[in-house]
Amino acid sequence: GQNIDQPTEMTATEGAIVQINCTYQTSGFNGLFWYQQHAGEAPTFLSYNVLDGLEEKGRFSSFLSRSKGYSYLLLKELQMKDSASYLCAVRNKTGANNLFFGTGTRLTVIP
Amino acid sequence: DAMVIQNPRYQVTQFGKPVTLSCSQTLNHNVMYWYQQKSSQAPKLLFHYYDKDFNNEADTPDNFQSRRPNTSFCFLDIRSPGLGDAAMYLCATSRDGPGETGFFGPGTRLTVL
Repeated sequence: GQNIDQPTEMTATEGAIVQINCTYQTSGFNGLFWYQQHAGEAPTFLSYNVLDGLEEKGRFSSFLSRSKGYSYLLLKELQMKDSASYLCAVRNKTGANNLFFGTGTRLTVIP
Repeated sequence: DAMVIQNPRYQVTQFGKPVTLSCSQTLNHNVMYWYQQKSSQAPKLLFHYYDKDFNNEADTPDNFQSRRPNTSFCFLDIRSPGLGDAAMYLCATSRDGPGETGFFGPGTRLTVL
């Protein structure tokens, strides 16, 4: 089975940097994804890691350590519109690209 | 634009009255998924279709069924909705391959009265 842990809530200031951590346990790891989800909307894809290291995409970066079962999402130059839930999801090797989600971290950006 | 479409966006049904949610995609992806998301919880995978092959998650209740008549369409049937089935239902699609991400539809919010 899968076990994915994220902090429930975080608050950060506009313009700052915030790091959202995710730890996971899964059988047959086959990639880790970060999604952003605004209230009442569908998740939208942010980043994907399958090898160790940092993937950078504009203001958003994601890091993976497979040996530690650990990932983080780094958001720089926070904007008010970044207030959302951030979902960590892992894919295992059983099944076709099935994603199993953590409960998400609700980020609130304050002025 | 290529996309994942869910209809309706909001669905109200009565306790025990069968309801069907629909999903269509113009992405020509071979995999389609249904997720259930309750308030402040993670999306929970119910089942997926890999082409025509149906794959049920072990803990998905029998009350939930799915049909995929062709590549573009997939339906979620809830045979006898209970109050606990009120949730957002998300349809997602993907290609089969490493790094292929899931594209989500906007979801259908189901209310059970």
